Amino acid sequence: EVQLVESGGGLVQPGGSLRLSCAGSGFSFSSYWLSWVRQAPGKGLEWVANINQDRSEKNYLDSVKGRFTVSRDNAENSFFLQMNSLRAEDTAVYYCARGNSPTGYYYGLDVWGQGTTVTVSS
Amino acid sequence: DIQMTQSPSSLSASVGDRITITCRASQSISNYLSWYQQKPGKAPKLLIYVASNMHSGVPSRFRGIGSGTDFTLIISNLQPEDFATYYCQQNYRTPITFGGGTKVDIK
Repeated sequence: EVQLVESGGGLVQPGGSLRLSCAGSGFSFSSYWLSWVRQAPGKGLEWVANINQDRSEKNYLDSVKGRFTVSRDNAENSFFLQMNSLRAEDTAVYYCARGNSPTGYYYGLDVWGQGTTVTVSS
Repeated sequence: DIQMTQSPSSLSASVGDRITITCRASQSISNYLSWYQQKPGKAPKLLIYVASNMHSGVPSRFRGIGSGTDFTLIISNLQPEDFATYYCQQNYRTPITFGGGTKVDIK
């Protein structure tokens, strides 16, 4: 079964850090772009970052640039989001998702994890 | 950044109805537009990619059309399992952006 499973969410104080992980299985992990997408409580979807297969290209939402870092370990079929200097507005469910095609991020996100909740509050 | 404007933000419909949801991009995105369905507490599901290609397993009552800046999701013969929130997403350029969503509920 093709799946992604996130972990690492939790409660953190403003200014703190958290590292989210996403484990992939059932597919050739190293062949796909991967993305993080978040959803604040009661709000819509917001793309956060993505990374290509060999880590040579990484893209970020402006509001997280310099604070969040996306990475991956293809040998371990794992994908990460390091979040530093967290703010209340980063509170959301964070999903990892797979690109629908190995050729780029142009074709949507076809496999999603179940989400992990990040709460930034004192 | 490319802004995606979805309309309506909500609509009420009955089983068997045909509904349309529109999505407008602030600049041309060619056909790099995807549509998703999301139910409460669940991850989104990909329905349509590159504007009109149905993702595997998606029922044929879902149809996407459009190119450039204007796109439409059409759901024919609405089924009980179709009551959900729908999002468009442009994949043309980063930052990738989503529309605000359209909540479809039962009339």
